[in-house]
Amino acid sequence: DVKVTQSSRYLVKRTGEKVFLECVQDMDHENMFWYRQDPGLGLRLIYFSYDVKMKEKGDIPEGYSVSREKKERFSLILESASTNQTSMYLCASSLVGTGGSYEQYFGPGTRLTVT
Amino acid sequence: QQQVKQSPQSLIVQKGGISIINCAYENTAFDYFPWYQQFPGKGPALLIAIRPDVSEKKEGRFTISFNKSAKQFSLHIMDSQPGDSATYFCAASFTGGFKTIFGAGTRLFVKA
Repeated sequence: DVKVTQSSRYLVKRTGEKVFLECVQDMDHENMFWYRQDPGLGLRLIYFSYDVKMKEKGDIPEGYSVSREKKERFSLILESASTNQTSMYLCASSLVGTGGSYEQYFGPGTRLTVT
Repeated sequence: QQQVKQSPQSLIVQKGGISIINCAYENTAFDYFPWYQQFPGKGPALLIAIRPDVSEKKEGRFTISFNKSAKQFSLHIMDSQPGDSATYFCAASFTGGFKTIFGAGTRLFVKA
């Protein structure tokens, strides 16, 4: 069974703090993703990575950065947290799609509240 | 051009009924159309998926209908059960699966 784990289920941070969200997958997947989930907006891609040290911006990268130093680990960084970054953050991983399934495996999410 | 529009936002169905959720897309470069199911407190999980060269795919009680010319696809849940109560997301992926665009989600409640 593919397992994607996220470092925290719930996190409360103050405005201006630097926040680290960590994600680990145990299936040797090449691709890893960070999404935020907001009611009525679905899942929106923040960043993705297709290899160690490689990263690509998604649809809403502003205010975020990422780090992928090891294949199994993908970190999301909020350099200076703001209240509009209060959200559910979901990490996912997938194999490189080669005509087959592009299935993404999701972690349980981290609910971040910025006060 | 990258949006995936999903409707309805919420759906209430009687046990044993058919649940239907619809999605529409614009970009013809999408080549993989999955549906994800999410229960409270959990991350989404792949339910069923289809490629645009197929008009229908069925897995148990779940069926995707795909209309390439209309750029629409839908999820049908036959004999809906209370255990199907969850949020459903349609999505569309570009080749390689590096970028997937999700719909806004549909909250399904199946009444016992």
